[in-house]
Amino acid sequence: KAGVTQTPRYLIKTRGQQVTLSCSPISGHRSVSWYQQTPGQGLQFLFEYFSETQRNKGNFPGRFSGRQFSNSRSEMNVSTLELGDSALYLCASSLEEFSYGYTFGSGTRLTVV
Amino acid sequence: LAKTTQPISMDSYEGQEVNITCSHNNIATNDYITWYQQFPSQGPRFIIQGYKTKVTNEVASLFIPADRKSSTLSLPRVSLSDTAVYYCLVGGDTGGFKTIFGAGTRLFVKA
Repeated sequence: KAGVTQTPRYLIKTRGQQVTLSCSPISGHRSVSWYQQTPGQGLQFLFEYFSETQRNKGNFPGRFSGRQFSNSRSEMNVSTLELGDSALYLCASSLEEFSYGYTFGSGTRLTVV
Repeated sequence: LAKTTQPISMDSYEGQEVNITCSHNNIATNDYITWYQQFPSQGPRFIIQGYKTKVTNEVASLFIPADRKSSTLSLPRVSLSDTAVYYCLVGGDTGGFKTIFGAGTRLFVKA
């Protein structure tokens, strides 16, 4: 079966712009989580969605937002991009809301210049 | 969510068994222990999960002592392709948790 699909794979944006990243979970998975990974901070939890509702949110500024659609696909948006937002953004899906059996996508590499 | 402590890095040689220990002193009664593996520029990959004693699958074993305050991921006969970062996560299925990945253990397998 298809895994977690993240698009685009790579992205270059300019400071001040906004960006939208997409995540298609494994078919049947209803929970989607987003993470930011940087060399300095490691993997940091952004937010988790289940049945179109945000269940948990990490410690990120309001410039980071997300949503989940009725088909469980999810998008995250970052507005007013800063150089420090350059990172690998990972999406993970799981069958249920509270599960450690996450399947991760390959991520979107965002570079802010 | 229980805080975890792992070694920052480990070196090994091909064919050896590697044991990576994770400390989680404040693990809760309903917490599970899960290990992930991550290669550069890829998302973490689920390796194994356990609650107590020993769990084994086709790629690894997980040893959890009776007090559950630590756990050990055992990789038998590692190869160069096992060079990766390994994360230990501890958490339960209760509401309100956030998944927290620590710094992980960077395993480097040498020929």
